[in-house]
Amino acid sequence: QQQVKQSPQSLIVQKGGISIINCAYENTAFDYFPWYQQFPGKGPALLIAIRPDVSEKKEGRFTISFNKSAKQFSLHIMDSQPGDSATYFCAARGGQGGKLIFGQGTELSVKP
Amino acid sequence: GAVVSQHPSRVICKSGTSVKIECRSLDFQATTMFWYRQFPKQSLMLMATSNEGSKATYEQGVEKDKFLINHASLTLSTLTVTSAHPEDSSFYICSARDIRAGANTEAFFGQGTRLTVV
Repeated sequence: QQQVKQSPQSLIVQKGGISIINCAYENTAFDYFPWYQQFPGKGPALLIAIRPDVSEKKEGRFTISFNKSAKQFSLHIMDSQPGDSATYFCAARGGQGGKLIFGQGTELSVKP
Repeated sequence: GAVVSQHPSRVICKSGTSVKIECRSLDFQATTMFWYRQFPKQSLMLMATSNEGSKATYEQGVEKDKFLINHASLTLSTLTVTSAHPEDSSFYICSARDIRAGANTEAFFGQGTRLTVV
């Protein structure tokens, strides 16, 4: 019940295309759903986050879509650029101490 | 966003020795700090949660006597890997949060520490 399932494991997108990464969760007590971007050898950096009372949030080229009834949320990266090539993690927060449960990660490669 | 600094960024130690990793919140008070471990090509796995002035809460399967966590101040938490073995080689990442600021506060991540045990 604490798991967050992320797909796909890897993704190759052409420059200018749309990258879509999906996550699903089970625990309805989760109250915060962030996405993180991680470059090799670095810590994860918060990209964008959403709360369950909102169905969509957009910040620049990044959009989160949230489906509470399906317990799914996704990250859309519009106009993908080679600099977006990184590993992306979804996460969900809830429970004791507000700890984050991470998805398995998606390695995105944007080809020029 | 707020800054969390980890030190060292890389460390190599001999098998059987102990190594300490520091995690500092530079511009906010971290009531809660989290320690993660990340193996290559894998996700972040939470090891423990520590609250300032209290004992850390370890996740299932994490040896508390091997991974000693101290959170003695609102800006510093340390993780000590005792009697390190090659299988402890990993990327260790901390994150910090000030829960007093409310339920909507973010957790900010350090840059990680690459531990190699030889």
